[in-house]
Amino acid sequence: GESVGLHLPTLSVQEGDNSIINCAYSNSASDYFIWYKQESGKGPQFIIDIRSNMDKRQGQRVTVLLNKTVKHLSLQIAATQPGDSAVYFCAESYLSAGNMLTFGGGTRLMVKP
Amino acid sequence: GAVVSQHPSWVICKSGTSVKIECRSLDFQATTMFWYRQFPKQSLMLMATSNEGSKATYEQGVEKDKFLINHASLTLSTLTVTSAHPEDSSFYICSAKQGAGPYGYTFGSGTRLTVV
Repeated sequence: GESVGLHLPTLSVQEGDNSIINCAYSNSASDYFIWYKQESGKGPQFIIDIRSNMDKRQGQRVTVLLNKTVKHLSLQIAATQPGDSAVYFCAESYLSAGNMLTFGGGTRLMVKP
Repeated sequence: GAVVSQHPSWVICKSGTSVKIECRSLDFQATTMFWYRQFPKQSLMLMATSNEGSKATYEQGVEKDKFLINHASLTLSTLTVTSAHPEDSSFYICSAKQGAGPYGYTFGSGTRLTVV
């Protein structure tokens, strides 16, 4: 079936460097995407979202890029901090599925001091 | 901002007993609530979707008689794991959404269930 997946299960970066987390999606009908951060033992925390009519959106230290041609989503974190260490999930949504969220496999980001 | 409270945060129960998990939207009315299950080092898997006052819609492979969902009001949904077994041990997370569009998902903090 349709799914959202991630290429890298673990990403290790040095504090202060930029991080890029990638996500591939297979459903061309998806029209809304969200990145979540999940710390150990907690629920997902909203980071940033993007609609399919956009290809870039920026937040505070984070940027989401959407490439619909290759069905690719990425999350860029600038000046990565130890507090950014967590598992990051992308999720997709589309109207014909009742706007339910489908989550990708997750990437663990480890920030080295 | 929107807040979803999930209780308890962790619970240990004996095999064969039932456990109830509550999910409350504290400052908004949730049109729809979702229940997810997450095994260690895995992603969130949707179990069921519930709308206030109607029966929950379960995902394929999820036993509706084992995972009872009640959505009695616009601010409260409960998940009851009946006759729990060790394989039901997992992290259960609820999410509440306002409105009918794709926006406005808020997640609870999760419940760690351990069945011994």
